[in-house]
Amino acid sequence: NAGVTQTPKFQVLKTGQSMTLQCAQDMNHNSMYWYRQDPGMGLRLIYYSASEGTTDKGEVPNGYNVSRLNKREFSLRLESAAPSQTSVYFCASSRGGAENNYGYTFGSGTRLTVV
Amino acid sequence: AQSVTQLDSQVPVFEEAPVELRCNYSSSVSVYLFWYVQYPNQGLQLLLKYLSGSTLVKGINGFEAEFNKSQTSFHLRKPSVHISDTAEYFCAVSLFSGGYQKVTFGTGTKLQVIP
Repeated sequence: NAGVTQTPKFQVLKTGQSMTLQCAQDMNHNSMYWYRQDPGMGLRLIYYSASEGTTDKGEVPNGYNVSRLNKREFSLRLESAAPSQTSVYFCASSRGGAENNYGYTFGSGTRLTVV
Repeated sequence: AQSVTQLDSQVPVFEEAPVELRCNYSSSVSVYLFWYVQYPNQGLQLLLKYLSGSTLVKGINGFEAEFNKSQTSFHLRKPSVHISDTAEYFCAVSLFSGGYQKVTFGTGTKLQVIP
């Protein structure tokens, strides 16, 4: 089982460049999430999609956009990369809903460096 | 609002010794509690969870955690650690809000097992 697949695994961007991080899950999960992980700060939610067709801002949405392409795929776009966006990005998914709390399944992450 | 505090950023422990990783949370409503483990250069994996019922929860790899409502704690324990337990551990709380499971992560505790 693939679970949550993220691409690319590594990326180096120049300041001002744009890129899209891809995420796909094969578990028929309803909810999907994008987090960034920075040393000493844990994981911070960027955007989430509670269900197909909906997206909402999380804790740190500035400089990012998302698209829930279908139930499987949830992409994160950096329109104009800045050095402050150097981080490790994780996509996660969950069954969603009030009664289904089985925790999150995480992808293996994308290490992004903006120079 | 909910929050999670992991007071220890790093915990060194000798191999085969017991370990406790501390987690305290605050929330005005009932929450679900989780521990995740992150091995180097990997995503987070669910270690164990507390949803309801018995306050002692057993997880994978010999770990267990105890939910203490009066102290708002959910400490993670293992009676005898192995080198392979070297990883970063994240405590998380979750509640259903705004149509999705809102999860707040702690800042993580790095467990270093010394041979």
